[in-house]
Amino acid sequence: DGGITQSPKYLFRKEGQNVTLSCEQNLNHDAMYWYRQDPGQGLRLIYYSQIVNDFQKGDIAEGYSVSREKKESFPLTVTSAQKNPTAFYLCASSIGQENSPLHFGNGTRLTVT
Amino acid sequence: GENVEQHPSTLSVQEGDSAVIKCTYSDSASNYFPWYKQELGKRPQLIIDIRSNVGEKKDQRIAVTLNKTAKHFSLHITETQPEDSAVYFCAPRNNFNKFYFGSGTKLNVKP
Repeated sequence: DGGITQSPKYLFRKEGQNVTLSCEQNLNHDAMYWYRQDPGQGLRLIYYSQIVNDFQKGDIAEGYSVSREKKESFPLTVTSAQKNPTAFYLCASSIGQENSPLHFGNGTRLTVT
Repeated sequence: GENVEQHPSTLSVQEGDSAVIKCTYSDSASNYFPWYKQELGKRPQLIIDIRSNVGEKKDQRIAVTLNKTAKHFSLHITETQPEDSAVYFCAPRNNFNKFYFGSGTKLNVKP
């Protein structure tokens, strides 16, 4: 979906370093989400935000942090506290109302060695 | 949180056959039921969805049926084609606007 931009597409980091993944949307959506996907598995919710300056933890928030200072931006920081950070990270947005689907960005593949 | 299960985890069919994937969920407050298709290395894309007050919805070769009483909904693909090969995810939405994804079904359509 051209309305959600994730950058970079591939990211490499050394263990112990924090890294921030970018997510920007121009769809004027209220809700934004971060999911993690491991090989051969489903998507697990890390954090989500329904409105600017507010966000909630998902099922696997430990070792991650987010901010929502602007409606169009929802960056995710993977901290050194995250035990196994190598994964495919997907950002999504939604109008936030009933019956409105998620729209995904193209994802960032993070490799930590 | 919501417990979402998909069956089967893998499905292999001959081109032209039908495929059915079932998704069961635990949260009776779930109110919106989408299905996503994900090709290798790409983002999930919505293929069909259904509202909680509707029992069935069809879009060409794809249909979704919902049984709210039993808490399950199913994806039906007829006349399958090789380009239908992908991983399919159900993702029921709860009343807190959270989407919980199933573990996925890998569909392989053999030419």
